[in-house]
Amino acid sequence: DAKTTQPPSMDCAEGRAANLPCNHSTISGNEYVYWYRQIHSQGPQYIIHGLKNNETNEMASLIITEDRKSSTLILPHATLRDTAVYYCIVRAGQRSGGSNYKLTFGKGTLLTVNP
Amino acid sequence: EAQVTQNPRYLITVTGKKLTVTCSQNMNHEYMSWYRQDPGLGLRQIYYSMNVEVTDKGDVPEGYKVSRKEKRNFPLILESPSPNQTSLYFCASSFRQSPVSRTKQFFGPGTRLTVL
Repeated sequence: DAKTTQPPSMDCAEGRAANLPCNHSTISGNEYVYWYRQIHSQGPQYIIHGLKNNETNEMASLIITEDRKSSTLILPHATLRDTAVYYCIVRAGQRSGGSNYKLTFGKGTLLTVNP
Repeated sequence: EAQVTQNPRYLITVTGKKLTVTCSQNMNHEYMSWYRQDPGLGLRQIYYSMNVEVTDKGDVPEGYKVSRKEKRNFPLILESPSPNQTSLYFCASSFRQSPVSRTKQFFGPGTRLTVL
């Protein structure tokens, strides 16, 4: 799985868009980008994933650059409840059955949403 | 509501007293897994299960046991807990049809265990 790099922390004002970057310059063609978040001491929560096209769901949007070497998670209207550590991970989309798909998070980005 | 539940949420116990942390999911997921999370060490996988009666060790299985007799349940057993098992524990589950579905894991709320 490709290595990812995220800023350690970011601040955002409540109601504004939060844009969280992730660098994955060694990503290969069959690897997806996934985002999770973990609110303090709660279980990690899946947010969104994508391969090459931009994706949107009820939680967030994911913008992947054309060369796929970086991506941005966008929370369009951040609230105080979005304060959490956000993790970007890259995983292969094609793998033989029987693999253990344990999740390994890096240090992530601590997003603090301020009132 | 689709969810993974864990019980208990908080537990303080003493060294050597056997305990079980239960995990249950209502999404008919085949894959289930236990993680522990410690400051500075991130998530580490303890055991996982690909389906009923199929379990295997993760990265830190010592001191733990699991069983998967039913699809929905995946209890974590500490036969003789020690202070170094003090941690925050998470159960997770997912479908296993594809690498993408396996990576979309649903996590429980966590069990904070303290072993004195």
